[in-house]
Amino acid sequence: NAGVTQTPKFRVLKTGQSMTLLCAQDMNHEYMYWYRQDPGMGLRLIHYSVGEGTTAKGEVPDGYNVSRLKKQNFLLGLESAAPSQTSVYFCASSSDRDRDADTQYFGPGTRLTVL
Amino acid sequence: QQQVKQSPQSLIVQKGGIPIINCAYENTAFDYFPWYQQFPGKGPALLIAIRPDVSEKKEGRFTISFNKSAKQFSLHIMDSQPGDSATYFCAASSYNAGNNRKLIWGLGTSLAVNP
Repeated sequence: NAGVTQTPKFRVLKTGQSMTLLCAQDMNHEYMYWYRQDPGMGLRLIHYSVGEGTTAKGEVPDGYNVSRLKKQNFLLGLESAAPSQTSVYFCASSSDRDRDADTQYFGPGTRLTVL
Repeated sequence: QQQVKQSPQSLIVQKGGIPIINCAYENTAFDYFPWYQQFPGKGPALLIAIRPDVSEKKEGRFTISFNKSAKQFSLHIMDSQPGDSATYFCAASSYNAGNNRKLIWGLGTSLAVNP
C-alpha cells in the first residue's frame, strides 16, 4: 500500500499561471481533504470531499477549485496563482465509517512557490 | 476564532525532559481528541488519541491527559529523545451539520529536544 501520494513534490509558478495538484489514495477511503500549511497558521482546510463526485468548501477555499471524479483521486486546481498561495499543500484521506473517519492519513506534501 | 487553542507555540527541552503541550476547547460536542506528529518535510501522522470517557491514555512514552470539566487536554512525552523533535498538533472532532465527522486543528507546537 502506497497510502496517500501527491504529485508533484515541488513546483514554482509565476503569478497568474495555473496548475493542478494531484492526490491519490489506495485505501478505498470515502473522505479526502486538501490543506495548506503556513508558518504559525497550522493546517487550514481548503476543500474536502465526502465521496466520489462531491466536494465542499473548507475554511480557506478562495482561489482554489477541486474535483473528485474518481474515488481514489482528489485534484486541487489553482486557476490564476498568486504569491499568497505560496505554501505547502497536504492531501489527506479517511474512512467514512463513523469513528474511523476521525483518523486522517496524510500525503508527503507539495511545496508550491508563486513568484 | 480558534476553536482549539494550543500552547506553547514552541518548546525546547533537554534529552530526558518531559515536554508538555496543552490544548483547550470550547465546543462540548467534541468527542474525539487526537494528537498528530509531523517531522520536517513529511505529512502529519496520528500519534495518539483519546475519547472523553477516560482521563488518561498512554502509548509508550506518550501520554494524553484529559480534563473534561476544564475542557483541556495535554500531551506529555516521557524521557524525551532528540528523535521526538517535531511539530505536534492537537485536534478535536465532532459531527458537523451534514452528519460527517469534522476535525478542528490547533496551530501546532514546534518541539526541539536537545541532546
